[in-house]
Amino acid sequence: TQLLEQSPQFLSIQEGENLTVYCNSSSVFSSLQWYRQEPGEGPVLLVTVVTGGEVKKLKRLTFQFGDARKDSSLHITAAQPGDTGLYLCAGGSTGGFKTIFGAGTRLFVKA
Amino acid sequence: ETGVTQSPTHLIKTRGQQVTLRCSSQSGHNTVSWYQQALGQGPQFIFQYYREEENGRGNFPPRFSGLQFPNYSSELNVNALELDDSALYLCASSFSAYNEQFFGPGTRLTVL
Repeated sequence: TQLLEQSPQFLSIQEGENLTVYCNSSSVFSSLQWYRQEPGEGPVLLVTVVTGGEVKKLKRLTFQFGDARKDSSLHITAAQPGDTGLYLCAGGSTGGFKTIFGAGTRLFVKA
Repeated sequence: ETGVTQSPTHLIKTRGQQVTLRCSSQSGHNTVSWYQQALGQGPQFIFQYYREEENGRGNFPPRFSGLQFPNYSSELNVNALELDDSALYLCASSFSAYNEQFFGPGTRLTVL
């Protein structure tokens, strides 16, 4: 069974701090996605990483896919209160259409 | 362009009852996936419909069933509701099974 484990589960930081959240698996994924979900809304796709070792930047967010395509990280520089939300990683299951989600990291950025 | 919409927003049912949740996919999308998100958890894949046929299913019992209509909107039906069915039910549509999914806001189901 393919599983994605995210850490930490919860993170509360001050505005301006940097942070990294992790998404790990014992299985290889062809790609991983990162989503952000706010209360009362569905997840919104931030990025998809496909190639082992790939690094993608989206303004203050940096996403990395591990060389072995089993893990990924999301780094936020100078966090802002608007970054508050649930960050989910997800990957496609082997040979199928099912998307597997991690349990998420709940981030709270205090002003 | 209209995004993915779901109805109702909130729903309260009692154990043993049946419920139907509805999803309208984004214009041009022919694939709909349903997810269950329990409190404090990530979404769990229930099943996917592609052009009115079930295309894949997660580890959910047969009392979870669905339909996709010719206009690609979809329904999720849950029979014999249990307390553990209380969750946020998310619908996501995409252009095909492998393309980016766009999620609706979800239906919050509470089973008492």
